Amino acid sequence: NAGVTQTPKFRVLKTGQSMTLLCAQDMNHEYMYWYRQDPGMGLRLIHYSVGEGTTAKGEVPDGYNVSRLKKQNFLLGLESAAPSQTSVYFCASSLTGWTVSGALHFGNGTRLTVT
Amino acid sequence: GENVEQHPSTLSVQEGDSAVIKCTYSDSASNYFPWYKQELGKRPQLIIDIRSNVGEKKDQRIAVTLNKTAKHFSLHITETQPEDSAVYFCAAPEAGGSYIPTFGRGTSLIVHP
Repeated sequence: NAGVTQTPKFRVLKTGQSMTLLCAQDMNHEYMYWYRQDPGMGLRLIHYSVGEGTTAKGEVPDGYNVSRLKKQNFLLGLESAAPSQTSVYFCASSLTGWTVSGALHFGNGTRLTVT
Repeated sequence: GENVEQHPSTLSVQEGDSAVIKCTYSDSASNYFPWYKQELGKRPQLIIDIRSNVGEKKDQRIAVTLNKTAKHFSLHITETQPEDSAVYFCAAPEAGGSYIPTFGRGTSLIVHP
C-alpha cells in the first residue's frame, strides 16, 4: 500500500494563477482532510470530506475549493493564488470518524510558494 | 486551533532527561486523544493515543496520561534521545461535537546530546 500520496511535492505560482493539488489514498478510508501548516500555527484544517461526494469547510476555507468525486481522491483547488497561501499543504485520511477509528494518515506534503 | 492549547511551545532537554508536553481541550464530550510527531521536513505521524475509558497508556519510552475532569492530556517521554527531537502535536475535536480534529500549535522538542 502506498498510503496517502500527494502531488506535486513542490510548486511555485505567481499571484492570480490557479492550480490543483491532488491527494490519493489506497486504504479505502472514508474521511479525508486538507490542512495547511505555517510556522507557529500548527496544522489548520481547510476542508474535509466524510465520504465520496461530500465536502465541508474547516477552519480556514477562504480561497480554496475541494472535490471528492471518487472515494480515493480528494482535490484541493486554488482559483486565484495569493501570497498568503504560501504554505505547506498536507492531506490526511482516516478510516471513519477519527474518534472511532483513530489515526490520521498523512501524505508527504506539498510546499507551495506564491510570489 | 483555539479549542486546543498546547504547552510549552518549545522544550529543550539534555539527553536522558524526561520531557512532558501538556494539551488542554474544551469539548467535554471528547473521547479520543492522540499525539503526533513531526520530524523536520517530514509528515506528522501518530505515536500514541488514548481513549477516555483509561487514564494512562504506555509504549516503551512514551506515555500519555489523561485527566478528563480537568480536560487535559499529557505526553511523557522518558530517557530522551537525540532522535526524539521533533515537533509534537496533540489533537482534539472542535467544540460543539463536530468530531473533526483540531491540532494544537505544536511543541518543538530539542534533545541535546
